[in-house]
Amino acid sequence: SQQGEEDPQALSIQEGENATMNCSYKTSINNLQWYRQNSGRGLVHLILIRSNEREKHSGRLRVTLDTSKKSSSLLITASRAADTASYFCATEIVGNNRLAFGKGNQVVVIP
Amino acid sequence: GAVVSQHPSWVICKSGTSVKIECRSLDFQATTMFWYRQFPKQSLMLMATSNEGSKATYEQGVEKDKFLINHASLTLSTLTVTSAHPEDSSFYICSASMRRDTQYFGPGTRLTVL
Repeated sequence: SQQGEEDPQALSIQEGENATMNCSYKTSINNLQWYRQNSGRGLVHLILIRSNEREKHSGRLRVTLDTSKKSSSLLITASRAADTASYFCATEIVGNNRLAFGKGNQVVVIP
Repeated sequence: GAVVSQHPSWVICKSGTSVKIECRSLDFQATTMFWYRQFPKQSLMLMATSNEGSKATYEQGVEKDKFLINHASLTLSTLTVTSAHPEDSSFYICSASMRRDTQYFGPGTRLTVL
């Protein structure tokens, strides 16, 4: 069953702006992961945040996790045209190591 | 490190034929491999989980006789779409895992059934 659910919005931003997208889930998780997918390609792992963590940074990426609200956000700062892609959150559910993917957010960065 | 390949990257076949897709972990041994399918502009849906040397575990609604999975070694898993029909046309993605919480994804295989 689908676990993570991003807000179903497509973002179109200017290069240099920040992009924020959200993800919500329904059950207890071990961790939450964000992936990027360029059109017609495989997934690139961006960042993993564990259930006992609240915030994590990796380069221009900032991820937050609120387990009380069962939600996460991904912030891309100072966006670049190369950041144009679809972004998915995926949750690893407690009890197994399978991933449940959200619907995805399409981000377009205009140069 | 942790590279996963898929072959072929795309395939076109006639309705009724079977198609085999390979997933290989190139520089690590994968205890578990996963198969997903993705329809255009949609998310990834897990089809099955495959452990080396044992039968695959299929997700609810996925026909195991339709989608045959073989995980004969720690570096290779295959997905065979049997008697393919146009509705099986999709993007199939595998991932490989050598430990919990980390899956490495292949580049995907686009299947088009005419």
